[in-house]
Amino acid sequence: DAKTTQPPSMDCAEGRAANLPCNHSTISGNEYVYWYRQIHSQGPQYIIHGLKNNETNEMASLIITEDRKSSTLILPHATLRDTAVYYCIRMDSSYKLIFGSGTRLLVRP
Amino acid sequence: NAGVMQNPRHLVRRRGQEARLRCSPMKGHSHVYWYRQLPEEGLKFMVYLQKENIIDESGMPKERFSAEFPKEGPSILRIQQVVRGDSAAYFCASSTNVRDRDSPLHFGNGTRLTVT
Repeated sequence: DAKTTQPPSMDCAEGRAANLPCNHSTISGNEYVYWYRQIHSQGPQYIIHGLKNNETNEMASLIITEDRKSSTLILPHATLRDTAVYYCIRMDSSYKLIFGSGTRLLVRP
Repeated sequence: NAGVMQNPRHLVRRRGQEARLRCSPMKGHSHVYWYRQLPEEGLKFMVYLQKENIIDESGMPKERFSAEFPKEGPSILRIQQVVRGDSAAYFCASSTNVRDRDSPLHFGNGTRLTVT
């Protein structure tokens, strides 16, 4: 079961931090959590992934709880171009990424 | 380093024709995935290939669809006798080594197939 749970939609003001939550309560010890986004009809864009430690790159930060049952993707200063559908994904036992419905983030001017 | 390249970007076929979609993975990537996205829906896994081998085709329709990833050249997704319901965006993704679970997939920008 590679299920994750995300809110269907969120919004935030331009320039503010966007915090996107994800629940993955059945995650196992060696499973990474991956975050992607899809802007309009483009291909999914890889953002970040992590196992147990918090991660940061030029796009975002990923905060993973100590029990690893949930995580939060943080876009520190959201811009209008960050409006997209954001997917929190686990890789299943057959090495596939199974996409759910994601969170539709709207960044307001 | 070029990303995952898919061509054509747009493909129009009449019902009954064949569609061939090509995917060149990122340099050094030997794992290729194909996904389909119907209008207003999420991405659905179709098939996972590693050079010359189909690893998982559990998401492929039983008829008319086939995929290959030869030793040389791009991966090909082939749809025979297309029907209107095949109209969708088809995305390819590649990775270096998924087995350690620390290698993200990188996606191309897709081929949009329209069947008239």
